[in-house]
Amino acid sequence: SQQGEEDPQALSIQEGENATMNCSYKTSINNLQWYRQNSGRGLVHLILIRSNEREKHSGRLRVTLDTSKKSSSLLITASRAADTASYFCATVPETSGSRLTFGEGTQLTVNP
Amino acid sequence: GAVVSQHPSRVICKSGTSVKIECRSLDFQATTMFWYRQFPKQSLMLMATSNEGSKATYEQGVEKDKFLINHASLTLSTLTVTSAHPEDSSFYICSASPFRDRLHYGYTFGSGTRLTVV
Repeated sequence: SQQGEEDPQALSIQEGENATMNCSYKTSINNLQWYRQNSGRGLVHLILIRSNEREKHSGRLRVTLDTSKKSSSLLITASRAADTASYFCATVPETSGSRLTFGEGTQLTVNP
Repeated sequence: GAVVSQHPSRVICKSGTSVKIECRSLDFQATTMFWYRQFPKQSLMLMATSNEGSKATYEQGVEKDKFLINHASLTLSTLTVTSAHPEDSSFYICSASPFRDRLHYGYTFGSGTRLTVV
């Protein structure tokens, strides 16, 4: 079963704007990862944040993690039409070995 | 970077037939691969963990006799959907990690297989 919930489920913005997606989870984790999925395709790993980290950057991506609230956010700055995709958070729960548990995903549409 | 190749990308089969999906790690060895299914506009559900040289570990509610997994080499895992029915129509995706330390590195996913059972 999925332990993650993401909001919003869908987000539509204009090019150049920032997009923020949130993820909540229920159990203690080793790390939290964000993935991107273009329609009908596989997933692409974007960024991983460990449980002892609070913030991480990669290019136009900024991820935060609040383990006390069991939540994470993904910020995409200066969005582009090519950023249009579904974004999933995935956790590695402490008790699961290395198996990923995915959130429900956010469908991001960036309008040119 | 690490690449996981998945074939076929699309397959249409008749009810009652079996379909095999292959997942290959192209430039690394994968002792463990994961198989997921995804329904339209939904998230990924882990079906099973494929272990090289041993039996796969199935998630609760996944029929192991229906979804046969074979991981005969360090670069190839296969998922066979046996006696397929229309309700098995879905998007199947595999993943693996080129890193032994899977707790601190992300996974590489195949491009997925769209299975349609008619």
